[in-house]
Amino acid sequence: QLVQSGAEVKKPGATAIISCKGSRYTFSDYYIHWVRQAPGKGLEWVGLIDPEDGVPLFAENFQGRVTITADTSTETTYMELSSLRSDDTALYYCATAYRLGSCSGGTCGLDFWGQGTLVTVSS
Amino acid sequence: DIQMTQSPSTLSASVGDRVTITCRASQSISSWLAWYQQKPGKAPKLLIYKASSLESGVPSRFSGSGSGTEFTLTISSLQPDDFATYYCQQYSGYSRTFGPGTKVD
Repeated sequence: QLVQSGAEVKKPGATAIISCKGSRYTFSDYYIHWVRQAPGKGLEWVGLIDPEDGVPLFAENFQGRVTITADTSTETTYMELSSLRSDDTALYYCATAYRLGSCSGGTCGLDFWGQGTLVTVSS
Repeated sequence: DIQMTQSPSTLSASVGDRVTITCRASQSISSWLAWYQQKPGKAPKLLIYKASSLESGVPSRFSGSGSGTEFTLTISSLQPDDFATYYCQQYSGYSRTFGPGTKVD
């Protein structure tokens, strides 16, 4: 189960920090991905983190603006998006990808998803 | 970055129809492709991974095929619960790009 933090309203240029807490699974057995969806639009991959070593990977579109961290003590992952613009208004999801055995590298897709966090950027 | 396209963008179908959605990658991604179903107001749901492996609990009327640059998702007999938007996602490259989606109505 993944539970995300609540909706946020931010002004342009501000920073949004969203959390995603995992439960009922072994935290380090899964990569955590972040995916966003603008209103009425498709899915856009933001990035991922390997909770075991804390190494993140980001989509090119977000390089320099996004930070993803994982706190193994609380089994919580954080996504921080800075220099917010109006086109960052979206529903942000976290999702897990199993990384062991035949799913090494997270090759078995995004199997569990959080409920989504709406970030609204408006002046 | 690897780019993904899907066709058609919208598909009108009836219950009982056989439905096929195509996803194409801008370069070879081997079999590193997943399919998701999304209904309005809900998070996406994983249907297929590694191009053709059915996720646990997903009805067998869903199937995936393909490798390299061309992939298909087939619903053998469309059910009322299947009216939704379907996305493919590649995970071969540095980025995990999604296709633009196909709405089945």
